[in-house]
Amino acid sequence: GENVEQHPSTLSVQEGDSAVIKCTYSDSASNYFPWYKQELGKGPQLIIDIRSNVGEKKDQRIAVTLNKTAKHFSLHITETQPEDSAVYFCAATANGVTYGMNTGGTIDKLTFGKGTHVFIIS
Amino acid sequence: NAGVTQTPKFQVLKTGQSMTLQCAQDMNHNSMYWYRQDPGMGLRLIYYSASEGTTDKGEVPNGYNVSRLNKREFSLRLESAAPSQTSVYFCASSEVWRGETQYFGPGTRLLVL
Repeated sequence: GENVEQHPSTLSVQEGDSAVIKCTYSDSASNYFPWYKQELGKGPQLIIDIRSNVGEKKDQRIAVTLNKTAKHFSLHITETQPEDSAVYFCAATANGVTYGMNTGGTIDKLTFGKGTHVFIIS
Repeated sequence: NAGVTQTPKFQVLKTGQSMTLQCAQDMNHNSMYWYRQDPGMGLRLIYYSASEGTTDKGEVPNGYNVSRLNKREFSLRLESAAPSQTSVYFCASSEVWRGETQYFGPGTRLLVL
């Protein structure tokens, strides 16, 4: 099955500098890669995603890059601000991966990395 | 839109007690999920419902049962709680089951003594 490795586990960044989080995946069939941000006491929220037919996607200060050959993707946050402090999760999904004895149909299994705690230092 | 809501926010149980975690979404999504989050383990799928009327096991289903009550609601039941079930539980939903964005609720923090 899919295995998603995420690094680093903790990242301290001076306010205004850039932050980069890297993930690798094992299943070459994976084709959708979302990134989630989780603030303290809240559920994960999608911040950006990328599909396998795209190499890079940008949304204001956040960008994600994907290298299908190397099977890795990265999150880039520029001009970091205190509100960027949170736990960030990468994830990967491959179409139609099933869980054992399904009676309810297949779903795309979303495999998460273990998370990166990002601290923005003022 | 409230999105995905979960009740309760926090619960303390004794070993052997039972409880049901409630989840509802108002986005007319077809698919719903229950995850648990443990330190250093990321998010792991417990059960899912690809569409109304269907449910199935995820990665870590032992000790849990679910009910898809209707399109909006998906509950998770612990029949006999164990300390290993101490965790933060998240419900999520997505429009369909194929590679779509999942929207998460705020979580239920469960402590089993």
